[in-house]
Amino acid sequence: KQEVTQIPAALSVPEGENLVLNCSFTDSAIYNLQWFRQDPGKGLTSLLLIQSSQREQTSGRLNASLDKSSGRSTLYIAASQPGDSATYLCAVTPPGGSYIPTFGRGTSLIVHP
Amino acid sequence: DAGITQSPRHKVTETGTPVTLRCHQTENHRYMYWYRQDPGHGLRLIHYSYGVKDTDKGEVSDGYSVSRSKTEDFLLTLESATSSQTSVYFCAISQNRDTGNTIYFGEGSWLTVV
Repeated sequence: KQEVTQIPAALSVPEGENLVLNCSFTDSAIYNLQWFRQDPGKGLTSLLLIQSSQREQTSGRLNASLDKSSGRSTLYIAASQPGDSATYLCAVTPPGGSYIPTFGRGTSLIVHP
Repeated sequence: DAGITQSPRHKVTETGTPVTLRCHQTENHRYMYWYRQDPGHGLRLIHYSYGVKDTDKGEVSDGYSVSRSKTEDFLLTLESATSSQTSVYFCAISQNRDTGNTIYFGEGSWLTVV
């Protein structure tokens, strides 16, 4: 059974720092990995999706990497801003069949001015 | 943003009453999911659907039923609401494409059972 772990559970950084959020998974047989952002009281917003054949994806100040062999993905946020404060979750989708994703518990990020 | 609408967005109901939450999508996506999110548990899958009238159970399906009579609608019913079902419920949709299976979430339905 796939397990997804996100460490740390919480992170507080000053504005302007570059930071890395981690996502680990136990089964390397994946279809894709997706990063989400969740603001308090809101649904999850998709940030980036990396297919199993890809190594990284970029969107603005965000860069997500994938290393299937080691069961790891990182989300890099450049020049963090207070507006980046949110919970970040990753989800791993298995190949074939029902495409039921497994979610991590998330990293709660606070960027203080 | 993906076209996903959940209703009602907020509801307070009494123990023992039936409750139905609706998820409506305008994306014509094949897969639809119902999750609940609780502190300390993260997102937990209740039921999912892989097509019209094709549904299956998730990890926390007891006390819940679903129906999908049209591609665009996925209903979640709490047959007899209990206080342990107080939670926020999220609907999600996805479609398998060459670019991957991207999941999109609705804004959530907050349910309080008193």
